[in-house]
Amino acid sequence: GAVVSQHPSRVICKSGTSVKIECRSLDFQATTMFWYRQFPKQSLMLMATSNEGSKATYEQGVEKDKFLINHASLTLSTLTVTSAHPEDSSFYICSAYVQGRWAEQFFGPGTRLTVL
Amino acid sequence: AQKVTQAQTEISVVEKEDVTLDCVYETRDTTYYLFWYKQPPSGELVFLIRRNSFDEQNEISGRYSWNFQKSTSSFNFTITASQVVDSAVYFCALSEPSTSGTYKYIFGTGTRLKVLA
Repeated sequence: GAVVSQHPSRVICKSGTSVKIECRSLDFQATTMFWYRQFPKQSLMLMATSNEGSKATYEQGVEKDKFLINHASLTLSTLTVTSAHPEDSSFYICSAYVQGRWAEQFFGPGTRLTVL
Repeated sequence: AQKVTQAQTEISVVEKEDVTLDCVYETRDTTYYLFWYKQPPSGELVFLIRRNSFDEQNEISGRYSWNFQKSTSSFNFTITASQVVDSAVYFCALSEPSTSGTYKYIFGTGTRLKVLA
């Protein structure tokens, strides 16, 4: 149990286009999902906390208008990178949080974004 | 302030050697959780272990063992008889309540382990 999927696993796009990444909890409901970004040889950095039915909470320094997050249901959160630029190239990882269960997050396999 | 320190950036060992990865954390909370994850080259995080702040029992799982010491705020991870497949980046994480009540992870910077054949 506690499986989280991400789609797509890899995406290459041209500079200026928008890219949507989906994060789904497959066998459980998640009221909260998190989005992380990881640059090469660095740690995971939390970008935002996504709660079902409400606006996402962004970490300091993360542009809300650039990284649009929507948590439409208890099993789906989406991250849209708008007007992507080469510096947005990174590994994006989502996680789903189950309250009461050891405060544990279940991680998706990640999406590698390359902006040309 | 909450913080997780993994002082070892990169470790190289020869196969069959034992290796210990260090993790030191800082927190003001009395209730918190600690985790270790493995990140192989594919990028997907692999869960290894969880510990809550009230359970200081050490744990052994096959070749893996963990030593949790609240007195030194450390949660170290040892691999005995290392194998090439153990080569990966290992992250220690602290989970504690945020102001909203949701538990957030604070990750260490990771330790890259290279096991040489």
